[in-house]
Amino acid sequence: DIQMTQSPSSLSASVGDRVTITCRASQGISNSLAWYQQKPGKVPTLLIYAASTLQSGIPSRFSGSGSGTDFTLTISSLQPEDVATYYCQKYNSAPQTFGQGTKVDI
Amino acid sequence: EVHLVESGGGLVQPGGSLRLSCAASGLSFSSYAMSWVRQAPGKGLEWVSTISGDGGTTYYADSVKGRFTISRDNSRITLYLEMNSLRAEDTAIYYCVDTLTPATHAFENWGQGTMVIVSP
Repeated sequence: DIQMTQSPSSLSASVGDRVTITCRASQGISNSLAWYQQKPGKVPTLLIYAASTLQSGIPSRFSGSGSGTDFTLTISSLQPEDVATYYCQKYNSAPQTFGQGTKVDI
Repeated sequence: EVHLVESGGGLVQPGGSLRLSCAASGLSFSSYAMSWVRQAPGKGLEWVSTISGDGGTTYYADSVKGRFTISRDNSRITLYLEMNSLRAEDTAIYYCVDTLTPATHAFENWGQGTMVIVSP
C-alpha cells in the first residue's frame, strides 16, 4: 500500500507568515491528492483537490502544488482562523490513505 | 445543500457489534461513492471503507477487513457500517463522507460524526 508522509508534524508561525506543508507519497499518485483542514473540535473540510484545485469557498491564500510523489500546501499569509490540523490524502485508489497531519499554531 | 447525518454509535463491550447509519440528503445519492472515515480520540484521520454508487464494489482498510461491512440502500438514501468483533482500538468518531464527483473521490461533505466507544 502507498504511504503518505507529511512534514512537519507541527509548526508555529506568526500572523502574516507564509506557511508550507509537504506531503510525500511512497509511490506515484499522479495528481490524485487532496488537502483537508480540521479546526479544533470541528469536522474536517476539503481545501484542495487534484493537488492544486481550490475547493469552492476556500480563501485564495491557500494553494497546492505537486504531482507524482511530492506535494505542497501553502498558506500565503497565515491568519488566526487558520489554526488547525491539516491532512493530505491520496484518493486515486483504495486504501485512500491520509497523512498523519500537521498541526499549525500561531 | 448536502446533509449527512450519522447515527448508531454508542458504548459497546469488546467483541460486540454495532450498526452505524448515515442518512443523506441534497445529493444524487446513487451516483456517488460513499465512505466511512474514523478518528480516534486525539489522533488523525483514518479511512475505513468505501462503497461504489451502485453498491456493487466495496473496499476496506486492513484494520477492519473481515469485521466491518459497508452497505447502502439507495432507495432509502442511507449508508451503513456493520461493525462486528469490536476492539478497543475501534474507539473513534466515525464520519460518513461523500465524494466530490462520481469521478473525483476526494471527500467533499462530512457528517458530524457518531462516537463509538469499545470498553468493558
